[in-house]
Amino acid sequence: DQQVKQNSPSLSVQEGRISILNCDYTNSMFDYFLWYKKYPAEGPTFLISISSIKDKNEDGRFTVFLNKSAKHLSLHIVPSQPGDSAVYFCAANTGTASKLTFGTGTRLQVTL
Amino acid sequence: SQTIHQWPATLVQPVGSPLSLECTVEGTSNPNLYWYRQAAGRGLQLLFYSVGIGQISSEVPQNLSASRPQDRQFILSSKKLLLSDSGFYLCAWSSGLKQYFGPGTRLTVT
Repeated sequence: DQQVKQNSPSLSVQEGRISILNCDYTNSMFDYFLWYKKYPAEGPTFLISISSIKDKNEDGRFTVFLNKSAKHLSLHIVPSQPGDSAVYFCAANTGTASKLTFGTGTRLQVTL
Repeated sequence: SQTIHQWPATLVQPVGSPLSLECTVEGTSNPNLYWYRQAAGRGLQLLFYSVGIGQISSEVPQNLSASRPQDRQFILSSKKLLLSDSGFYLCAWSSGLKQYFGPGTRLTVT
């Protein structure tokens, strides 16, 4: 039972354009959502998060939007840069020991 | 600042051999600790988590076990490795809602 889904395994975007990564969840008990960025052979690094009491959180080039009624969140990166090329994981918190449920990831390729 | 260490970085082990992966955290006290596995082409699967010394919760039945002998040390073990244990193993810690990951161990079981 995949409670957090990232339906696009890959995405290619030109440098300077906007990258939009999507994530859907099924568990209405999730109340905190995070995005992680992962390079090959490295651990994921925390990127940005959002609480369920908000619908938007912005940090520099990164913005996360949350639509609770649709159980959907998205990460916007603008402008996209070649260094943004990585796998992006969406994760949701169940509130128990800060356990996170991760999606399967979306590989972003930013081309010149 | 907090840092998390994992070793070894890579490991090649034959089927049936034992396993011990170690993770230590510096710069924080009483963190929650986690072991994840990322199989090829898949997401991150939570294997174990710990909220304190000697307290281990298992998320999936498997060939692996975990122990927390000290506050900031988390060990992943197996008595006999299977081919299906191959993957990228990640340790993480949290203090609050965010988790922070170590560099990972690439395990190949041959």
